[in-house]
Amino acid sequence: GAGVSQSPRYKVAKRGQDVALRCDPISGHVSLFWYQQALGQGPEFLTYFQNEAQLDKSGLPSDRFFAERPEGSVSTLKIQRTQQEDSAVYLCASSLAGGEGQPQHFGDGTRLSIL
Amino acid sequence: QKEVEQNSGPLSVPEGAIASLNCTYSDRGSQSFFWYRQYSGKSPELIMSIYSNGDKEDGRFTAQLNKASQYVSLLIRDSQPSDSATYLCAVSGGSYIPTFGRGTSLIVHP
Repeated sequence: GAGVSQSPRYKVAKRGQDVALRCDPISGHVSLFWYQQALGQGPEFLTYFQNEAQLDKSGLPSDRFFAERPEGSVSTLKIQRTQQEDSAVYLCASSLAGGEGQPQHFGDGTRLSIL
Repeated sequence: QKEVEQNSGPLSVPEGAIASLNCTYSDRGSQSFFWYRQYSGKSPELIMSIYSNGDKEDGRFTAQLNKASQYVSLLIRDSQPSDSATYLCAVSGGSYIPTFGRGTSLIVHP
């Protein structure tokens, strides 16, 4: 496909379980971002990759959150020992190049619900 | 901390009217400005980007930027019910990480 693909679209987990969310960016896009979006809010930055390098992870809310992009394409966001406050939509976005001012292309997100 | 402020709305306009959406930002060093449209349950979709003061038009959409006053706006002419969505303002400057506002909900009623 031509767009950013995220899976699963919906994930329900029990509190304390680990989850893994996948993002497949647009082919050739260097930059990849993960965001968390709560209901009625804008996307909140979590982490940023340029190719395989994680250049910024300042938005990750705790050490339970971990992201990787080992080959510079597909990325996985992992949340360990999930808590109810982790319930949100997790958005992945990619852009063609790194640097300032690049418009981002978003996937449809993964809606995570922690019971 | 960089802040981007938007009125959450909802902004309700009749079909055919001009919808005006506003956004203010705190970082004077901001250089890139984006408007995204987000339908309920869908991902944000880029509508406009603007980088210099003044107006930028694309079809029914016009983005306006005033760096001195630190605001950016989006005008939608001839509003259609299909324009009903949440409009997100995003701002970046000196960093590859944009800051998003919480979005303004727009309702265009027939």
